[in-house]
Amino acid sequence: AQKITQTQPGMFVQEKEAVTLDCTYDTSDPSYGLFWYKQPSSGEMIFLIYQGSYDQQNATEGRYSLNFQKARKSANLVISASQLGDSAMYFCAMREGYMRFGAGTRLTVKP
Amino acid sequence: EPEVTQTPSHQVTQMGQEVILRCVPISNHLYFYWYRQILGQKVEFLVSFYNNEISEKSEIFDDQFSVERPDGSNFTLKIRSTKLEDSAMYFCASQGEVETQYFGPGTRLLVL
Repeated sequence: AQKITQTQPGMFVQEKEAVTLDCTYDTSDPSYGLFWYKQPSSGEMIFLIYQGSYDQQNATEGRYSLNFQKARKSANLVISASQLGDSAMYFCAMREGYMRFGAGTRLTVKP
Repeated sequence: EPEVTQTPSHQVTQMGQEVILRCVPISNHLYFYWYRQILGQKVEFLVSFYNNEISEKSEIFDDQFSVERPDGSNFTLKIRSTKLEDSAMYFCASQGEVETQYFGPGTRLLVL
């Protein structure tokens, strides 16, 4: 069975600095998708970024980039130039049909 | 920009009552999902739905749960006899041809 691990329950970052949120995964399927979602305190799940297992390049979406290291089975999210509005829970997920989510990392951006 | 909508945003019910949670997926999407998130815990898969039938379900999705797409736009989750442990945020998600699942804002269910 696939498994998603987020080892950082909480992270702090200074406003305008970059932060990396860790995610490792385990699967025997050669084809899979990796996702990051943001969940602010209001509760909704906001899609941030997607990486396909066969994609050669790391995905980027504005200030978000995904550091995909397939051999190490890691898919870390990098947020550049952090803003106060980035404070939220961040979930890594893998899709082999349905989404399986990690436990999440609570990011707090300090002014 | 098209989005998934869910109603109601909050629901309080008595244990043993039936609840129906409603979702309107993005209009040209083909795959539909329900997830739940118990307070402070991770998001868990309940069921996926494609071509008017369940394609996959988790062990959480027992006989108390059912899903329907009654009219080609709404996608509903019914809990027949709610239990205290059904209290959670319930998310609907839909997916089109590409990989990404887009989530609705959720329904916060409280069972008393």
